[in-house]
Amino acid sequence: AQTVTQSQPEMSVQEAETVTLSCTYDTSESDYYLFWYKQPPSRQMILVIRQEAYKQQNATENRFSVNFQKAAKSFSLKISDSQLGDAAMYFCAYSSIQGAQKLVFGQGTRLTINP
Amino acid sequence: GAVVSQHPSWVICKSGTSVKIECRSLDFQATTMFWYRQFPKQSLMLMATSNEGSKATYEQGVEKDKFLINHASLTLSTLTVTSAHPEDSSFYICSARDLAPSGRSKETQYFGPGTRLLVL
Repeated sequence: AQTVTQSQPEMSVQEAETVTLSCTYDTSESDYYLFWYKQPPSRQMILVIRQEAYKQQNATENRFSVNFQKAAKSFSLKISDSQLGDAAMYFCAYSSIQGAQKLVFGQGTRLTINP
Repeated sequence: GAVVSQHPSWVICKSGTSVKIECRSLDFQATTMFWYRQFPKQSLMLMATSNEGSKATYEQGVEKDKFLINHASLTLSTLTVTSAHPEDSSFYICSARDLAPSGRSKETQYFGPGTRLLVL
């Protein structure tokens, strides 16, 4: 079974600075999807960014980018120019490309933005 | 686009009663919906996969007679917590995957806003 590990329960960053959230995963599959979801205090899960494992190019969405290291099974999220609205729980998630494509979530990282 | 709604947003009920939670995909069709449970300050735990027109697939340890799931149409799945007890109090979240995405990704799950259940 696949597992996802986020080793940083909490992180904090100064507004306008850059922060990187770590995520590692374990799988025997060669093709899969990886996601970062954000859960603000409203508890609405919001997709931040997604990565297809067969693509070597790292995904980027505005201020959010990932560092996908397939051999190391690492999928970190970099947030540039941090804003107060970025404060939230961030969950890394894995999905197979086969079957029901269930999401396997990491434990989450609570990100605090200091003004 | 890709909006998922849940109703109710929060509910308080007495122990022993049943509670139904609805999950709707508003602007797309979904053959597959997922139900999660989230305890305070914890991650999401998948309870079951809801398939339109067929029986739901439950994760290990989830009582299917306790948590009844019905997915009768391509836009609606319901979760019924039967004979609710205080230990069922939690935050329940649904998600849906687009059947025929246009400009979106079929691998991506879109989440509802969640339902807070408190059983007294």
